[in-house]
Order: sequence, then structure tokens, then C-alpha cells
Amino acid sequence: DIQMTQSPSSLSASVGDRVTITCRASQSISNYLNWYQQKPGKAPKLLIYAASSLQSGVPSSFSGSGSGTDFTLTISSLQPEDFATYYCQQSYSTPWTFGQGTKVEIK
Amino acid sequence: EVQVVESGGGLVQPGGSLRLSCAASGFTFSSYEMNWVRQAPGKGLEWVSYISSSGGTIYYADSVKGRFTISRDNAKNSLYLQMNSLRAEDTAIYYCARDVSGHDAFDIWGQGTMVTVSS
Repeated sequence: DIQMTQSPSSLSASVGDRVTITCRASQSISNYLNWYQQKPGKAPKLLIYAASSLQSGVPSSFSGSGSGTDFTLTISSLQPEDFATYYCQQSYSTPWTFGQGTKVEIK
Repeated sequence: EVQVVESGGGLVQPGGSLRLSCAASGFTFSSYEMNWVRQAPGKGLEWVSYISSSGGTIYYADSVKGRFTISRDNAKNSLYLQMNSLRAEDTAIYYCARDVSGHDAFDIWGQGTMVTVSS
């Protein structure tokens, strides 16, 4: 199975900050990497698919990059509604696997 | 509105069975691959199972293989998960999720249904 490791596990940031979350795969997954946002008590929401494609309706403040084993999710200017937990997911091979999550909290 | 709605969760004893359902609306269900994803209380996301649009291709996580069965009825716009030999570690919120064709990302999620396995 492909292991997905996110860093950091949590971070504190202020509104307006630029935030970067990293996801590393245990083997090359090309660009088969997706990012989700989950708020407490809610279902996850797809933000980015294929490493850098913005899902319809997602603000352009979110962007994704990377290929192979190293990927990043960047929020260019953190907004109050962006405080949540973020997960990466590889869709290169089954079993699809998720990172452990990165919780973005208010500083 | 494009949506999926799960049902069928509840409290079941270890070794018991439960059948989850997912009703889809607002899109052509028969054209989409579908998945079940679960989340144990306070934990991260775990993919459980995948089914192709026709039902001809199915995958399972090792943790549920041989115990869970995914199926679909395209005439009823419905997805199912038959769960047998349930264990305490199967306790989780179970989400039905639509697959982005060609990318296996999950773009439409339901609200989830809670399954609790406990005596």
C-alpha cells in the first residue's frame, strides 16, 4: 500500500497568512494526488484533484502543486472559513489512501 | 441539486450485520463510479470500497475484504454496502462518495451514516 504522510499535523495561523501543507507519498504517484477540506461535523469537500486542478467552485486562493512523491497545498491568504482539517489522498493505485490530516487552527 | 444521501447506520453487536444504502439524485448515477469512505470517531479518512459504473469492477480495502460487499442498482439510483461479521474497529461514520471519472477523486459526499459496533 502507498503511505501518505502530511506535514505538519497541525498549525496555527492568522487571517491573511499564506499557509502551505505538504504531502509525501511512499512511492511515485505521478500527479494522482487530491486534496480535501473537512470542517467539524461535516463531510469532506474536494478542493484539488490531479495535484493542481482546482475543483469547480473552490476559491482561487487554494492551489496545489507537485508530482512524483512530493506535493503541496497552498492557501494564499487564509480566510476565517478556511480553518479546518485538510487531507491529501492518492488515487494512483488501490487501496486509495489518505494522509493523516493537517489541522489549521486560529492563532 | 446533485446529492447523495446515506442511510442504514445504527448500533449492532460484534459479529452482526448491517446494510447501508446511498440514494443519489441530480446526476446520471449510472455514469459514475462510486465509493464508500469511513471515518472512525476523531480519526482520519479511510477508503473502504469502489464500484465501477456498471458494477463490473469492484475493489475493497484489506480491512473489510471478505466481510463487506459493495453493490449498486442503477435503475434505483442507489449504492449499497452489505457489512457482515462486524467488529468494534468498524465503528465509524460511513460516507458515500462519487468518483471523478479518470481521477478517482471524490467530488460529491453525503452527510454520512454512523455505524456503531458494540455489545
